[in-house]
Amino acid sequence: QSALTQPASVSGSPGQSITISCTGTSSDIGAYNFVSWYQQHPGKAPKLIIYDVTNRPSGVSDRFSASKSDNTASLTISGLQAEDESDYYCGSFTLSKTWVFGGGTKLTVL
Amino acid sequence: QTTLRESGPTLVKPTQTLTLTCLFSGFSLNTRGEGVAWIRQPPGKALEWLALIYWDDDKRYSSSLRNRLTITKDTSKNQVVLTLTNMDPVDTGTYYCAHLYSRSSFGFWGQGNLVSVSS
Repeated sequence: QSALTQPASVSGSPGQSITISCTGTSSDIGAYNFVSWYQQHPGKAPKLIIYDVTNRPSGVSDRFSASKSDNTASLTISGLQAEDESDYYCGSFTLSKTWVFGGGTKLTVL
Repeated sequence: QTTLRESGPTLVKPTQTLTLTCLFSGFSLNTRGEGVAWIRQPPGKALEWLALIYWDDDKRYSSSLRNRLTITKDTSKNQVVLTLTNMDPVDTGTYYCAHLYSRSSFGFWGQGNLVSVSS
């Protein structure tokens, strides 16, 4: 199972919106509505911010939103804040009943 | 309140077997739908999913590591154990255990156990 494809880095200014893409195949992202997104600050464990493509766990800011079209999922962060600077990973359940993660995207808030 | 904590060695030699334990609380692996996964992250690199065990003892493994991995559970102790045989320096990284959330994602994570492989 190959890793999902994410841009290595994205950046934006405070208050702006950014979108991170996550491209897979019909065997993972395209197979189910089981895409998740994680935020990971340096030296910390990942934190779930989106599950089942569009849902936010309790306590996650509504500035985080996500969607999926065919084999590509996207995470949008609106109203960028300095605290959003972090690494972001997408993940997907697969047809093989296993999981796969993306390569990660480093978000820089300018 | 769901918590998970990994424990195990911080240094192993090449060819040795790594054994990691995940001690969890706040849920039971006797409950239908529950699961615990292991995920690792080499220094400065991406997350890699390794294995997952369900409440009914169904086990899933990464296809690339299937022949080296074993995941087991001890529900009486609220523990999940991962073994990885024939360790190599490329296996160096932080190993996390995580709670299965909503069938398809990982909602709670341990703090991670950094394992270095070196002679």
